[in-house]
Amino acid sequence: EAGVVQSPRYKIIEKKQPVAFWCNPISGHNTLYWYLQNLGQGPELLIRYENEEAVDDSQLPKDRFSAERLKGVDSTLKIQPAELGDSAVYLCASSLGGPHSPLHFGNGTRLTVT
Amino acid sequence: GQNIDQPTEMTATEGAIVQINCTYQTSGFNGLFWYQQHAGEAPTFLSYNVLDGLEEKGRFSSFLSRSKGYSYLLLKELQMKDSASYLCAVKSPHTDKLIFGTGTRLQVFP
Repeated sequence: EAGVVQSPRYKIIEKKQPVAFWCNPISGHNTLYWYLQNLGQGPELLIRYENEEAVDDSQLPKDRFSAERLKGVDSTLKIQPAELGDSAVYLCASSLGGPHSPLHFGNGTRLTVT
Repeated sequence: GQNIDQPTEMTATEGAIVQINCTYQTSGFNGLFWYQQHAGEAPTFLSYNVLDGLEEKGRFSSFLSRSKGYSYLLLKELQMKDSASYLCAVKSPHTDKLIFGTGTRLQVFP
């Protein structure tokens, strides 16, 4: 089965510019997550979707970050405007849902804000 | 609050056994996951424990004690390719959120 696909793999932008990341989860996985990972740290949850509904966005900085999953499959995470501190790896993950289902991660998008 | 502790770094020799510990203090518990992450790559699922005891999967085993808030990942017959970060993560029952520790960077030397 195909894994979680993310694009782009790398992105370099200047501060104050917008940026968007795209994620295609594993087919049949209703739960989709966006995580942020700083160097040497574990992933931190930004937002979790059950189908097209955002069920946990408590840690998403809503003043500059937005996300959507319109048809309950692909998802987009956007930052506008980007700040220097947003430089990190943005990981998308999907799962079948439920407490026992592992998350399957994509390779992430490494964002560098200059 | 949520707190998951792991050693930052460990080293071991090829062919040896290494144990990576994880302690957690979380508001609720609905399972503990271990992930492996090579540099620049995605975390990949290794094991899941929800009941006390040992789960064995090939060269990797994971142990859980819920009363002690403690887990370990045991890697046997270490290979050079096992050099990676190992992430401990706890599932919250209330939000279904997976909370990660900072990870343990393991270096295997010949």
